[in-house]
Amino acid sequence: EVQLVESGGGSVQPGGSLRLSCAASGFTLSNYAMSWVRQAPGKGLEWVSAVSRSGSYTYYVDSVKGRFTISRDSSKNTLFLQMNSLGAEDTAVYYCAKPFWSYDTSTYYQGCFDYWGQGTLVTVSS
Amino acid sequence: DIVMTQSPDSLAVSLGERATINCKSSQNIFYSPNNKNYLSWYQQKPGQPPKLLIYWASTRESGVPDRFSGSGSGTDFALTISSLQAEDVAVYYCQQYYFTPLTFGGGTKVEIK
Repeated sequence: EVQLVESGGGSVQPGGSLRLSCAASGFTLSNYAMSWVRQAPGKGLEWVSAVSRSGSYTYYVDSVKGRFTISRDSSKNTLFLQMNSLGAEDTAVYYCAKPFWSYDTSTYYQGCFDYWGQGTLVTVSS
Repeated sequence: DIVMTQSPDSLAVSLGERATINCKSSQNIFYSPNNKNYLSWYQQKPGQPPKLLIYWASTRESGVPDRFSGSGSGTDFALTISSLQAEDVAVYYCQQYYFTPLTFGGGTKVEIK
């Protein structure tokens, strides 16, 4: 059974950092181009970042470029999101998502998601 | 970035009646070489992650009841619930996966009238 379990969320002051983890089971994470998607309280869904199936390429929404870094540890079957210089606008539930289909190149990423974790809440507030 | 515009924002339908949600993309998300529209639909219930319902605009995900159907092509799409059930109360999102960044519609809340 496919499972995705996020952790690492919490409260942080503006300008602070957090590292989110997504532990995968039931499939080999490095065989998929995994994504992070977030949802601000009471708001809609926003795709944040993805890593290519090969692991060679990463992709980000403009609002997090230069601040967030996606990575994975194949030996631990775990996806990460390092988040720096956090602001109030980053307050959200962060989901990791597995694509049932994806395609990636050095410049673009396409993906549609069949499994999502339960999410981890990040609150940025002074 | 591609803007996905859903309408209406909310919808109240009687049990057993039809519900239709519209989604419009700011650019064409149909890829002619493979004849596919890069459009999916998700259902999200309170406190839960999104659940994939439809992909390639009209292909139902395994296990999704056949009262859910997707239609449309190019820039205009729709999700139809043919006979609304109580368990269908949720927020529904469309997503385009043709262009990076991937983008979602703003969501449509479906309630029972």
